[in-house]
Amino acid sequence: AQRVTQPEKLLSVFKGAPVELKCNYSYSGSPELFWYVQYSRQRLQLLLRHISRESIKGFTADLNKGETSFHLKKPFAQEEDSAMYYCALSGPTSGSRLTFGEGTQLTVNP
Amino acid sequence: GAVVSQHPSWVICKSGTSVKIECRSLDFQATTMFWYRQFPKQSLMLMATSNEGSKATYEQGVEKDKFLINHASLTLSTLTVTSAHPEDSSFYICSARDLQRGSYNEQFFGPGTRLTVL
Repeated sequence: AQRVTQPEKLLSVFKGAPVELKCNYSYSGSPELFWYVQYSRQRLQLLLRHISRESIKGFTADLNKGETSFHLKKPFAQEEDSAMYYCALSGPTSGSRLTFGEGTQLTVNP
Repeated sequence: GAVVSQHPSWVICKSGTSVKIECRSLDFQATTMFWYRQFPKQSLMLMATSNEGSKATYEQGVEKDKFLINHASLTLSTLTVTSAHPEDSSFYICSARDLQRGSYNEQFFGPGTRLTVL
């Protein structure tokens, strides 16, 4: 069975501090990993996906198959980064269905 | 681009009535749409996968006779909550894949529909 675990429900940092949102997964095979973000009163939107290996809004995430992790990082957090972040997984055996983690509420304090 | 809309954005109904929620892909054709349910401060739980022109695939534990899904066109899927009860009160979110854009597994999400059953 595929599973996504985000161990931190809440994460609070100060503006300018580094931030790391943890995500671990279990999947038999080669998954596709995503980070979705939900700002207050807005819809869920894609932040980044591992296959594109891009940096969006200063965020990066590297897929570590050995540790089955896909942690989201940003070196200098901004107040506008405050949001709910969901790690999600999909794969060839899941028929494009996404499995979401529980989510981490990030608060960046001034 | 890749915009998904939902209607209504919120609905209040009496127990025992049925409620229909629409999900539309506005600028692309979606052969597959997904319906999720989200409880307050919790993650999204996939309810079913809606395939255009065929029956929906329901996740384990989701009553297909309770949550009727119809995907009659490439831009519209509907979720009907039949004989709604207070425990069906939740935030229902749909998403769609656009095979012309993004990765195969990327989904674009609607804004959600807040259902309250009295």
